[in-house]
Amino acid sequence: GNSVTQMEGPVTLSEEAFLTINCTYTATGYPSLFWYVQYPGEGLQLLLKATKADDKGSNKGFEATYRKETTSFHLEKGSVQVSDSAVYFCALWGNQGGKLIFGQGTELSVKP
Amino acid sequence: GAGVSQSPSNKVTEKGKDVELRCDPISGHTALYWYRQSLGQGLEFLIYFQGNSAPDKSGLPSDRFSAERTGGSVSTLTIQRTQQEDSAVYLCATSSGGAGDTQYFGPGTRLTVL
Repeated sequence: GNSVTQMEGPVTLSEEAFLTINCTYTATGYPSLFWYVQYPGEGLQLLLKATKADDKGSNKGFEATYRKETTSFHLEKGSVQVSDSAVYFCALWGNQGGKLIFGQGTELSVKP
Repeated sequence: GAGVSQSPSNKVTEKGKDVELRCDPISGHTALYWYRQSLGQGLEFLIYFQGNSAPDKSGLPSDRFSAERTGGSVSTLTIQRTQQEDSAVYLCATSSGGAGDTQYFGPGTRLTVL
């Protein structure tokens, strides 16, 4: 079945550091890929998405490129801020009904 | 307030009691999903409603769990004879129903079973 694997956290960075959170997936066909973010005490929010190979999703300075050849959708940001501290979830929507399949989440902590 | 809303935000119950959790979707969204977020299991799919089709119940962990969606709008997730392992945050999400459409999540209901 479909699955998503994310790098384990927690990840601790200093403000203005470069961020990469790795995400790889296993799926048949052509899934859509998503990054969701959960800020402390809040619900899940869509951060960005990509629906086909080589698409790049971007939002709030975050980017992720849908790489079919490496089955990856790594999240990157050039300069993180304290306000980016949150848990980030990679997810896919594929050919297994309407559900999202989530990775285990990566906690990011950004220190001033 | 056009987002997904859930109630109650917190629910504490005793083992063996039944609980009902409510989800009010974004107006016009035909697809509705329930997920569970717990420390040990991460985010798990529970059940999916799409329009008038039969729901996909493949994620429900036991027959103590059931859900309905009345009139294609509000949904209720019911857990009968609650157990301590049911303690989790229950999340509802809705989408416009197209393939791969973005799912918008509610704030969740935190269930604690004592």
